[in-house]
Amino acid sequence: DAGVTQSPTHLIKTRGQQVTLRCSPKSGHDTVSWYQQALGQGPQFIFQYYEEEERQRGNFPDRFSGHQFPNYSSELNVNALLLGDSALYLCASSLAQRGLAGGRVKNIQYFGAGTRLSVL
Amino acid sequence: LAKTTQPISMDSYEGQEVNITCSHNNIATNDYITWYQQFPSQGPRFIIQGYKTKVTNEVASLFIPADRKSSTLSLPRVSLSDTAVYYCLVAPNQAGTALIFGKGTTLSVSS
Repeated sequence: DAGVTQSPTHLIKTRGQQVTLRCSPKSGHDTVSWYQQALGQGPQFIFQYYEEEERQRGNFPDRFSGHQFPNYSSELNVNALLLGDSALYLCASSLAQRGLAGGRVKNIQYFGAGTRLSVL
Repeated sequence: LAKTTQPISMDSYEGQEVNITCSHNNIATNDYITWYQQFPSQGPRFIIQGYKTKVTNEVASLFIPADRKSSTLSLPRVSLSDTAVYYCLVAPNQAGTALIFGKGTTLSVSS
């Protein structure tokens, strides 16, 4: 059973460029969340996608956008890159649906290894 | 979302039991407590989750007092490979709720 996979693992861009990061969720999961982690800090929530729509958004500018595909995979796009965008970008997947018994599914998110973005 | 406070760093030796305490004074009735572990250049990994009293799995134990204003993650007999950052999170147990991470506790295990 494949876990959360992200690509690429590393990326180097220059200021002003645009970047696209990709994520495939854990098998059976339908919700994808993106986080940004600067060096020495905890991950910061960017946004979440469910049913191909942005469901929640953190305090990030519109330069950060995303997409979710019918197969639940997701992309994170960042336009007009700034030096401060250099970070580890993490994708997390979870299951939004209730279990078969109608019980509440626990809010446990499974993270990928991340994409290390360096902006020069 | 409830704010959490945990020590910035802790040191231990192999074979010892490590207890990391997290304070969450403003925890809400429908909040659960979840701990994640993160190694350098990897994503956080779920360790354990609980609501009250004690929860134990193959990796750790989580102790939550009756007032739920704090919680303690207990790692039995740590090894060098347990050196990592540990995050305590408090959030409603609604699937997909955004996770709010603090800076976590950096645990260093020495031989």
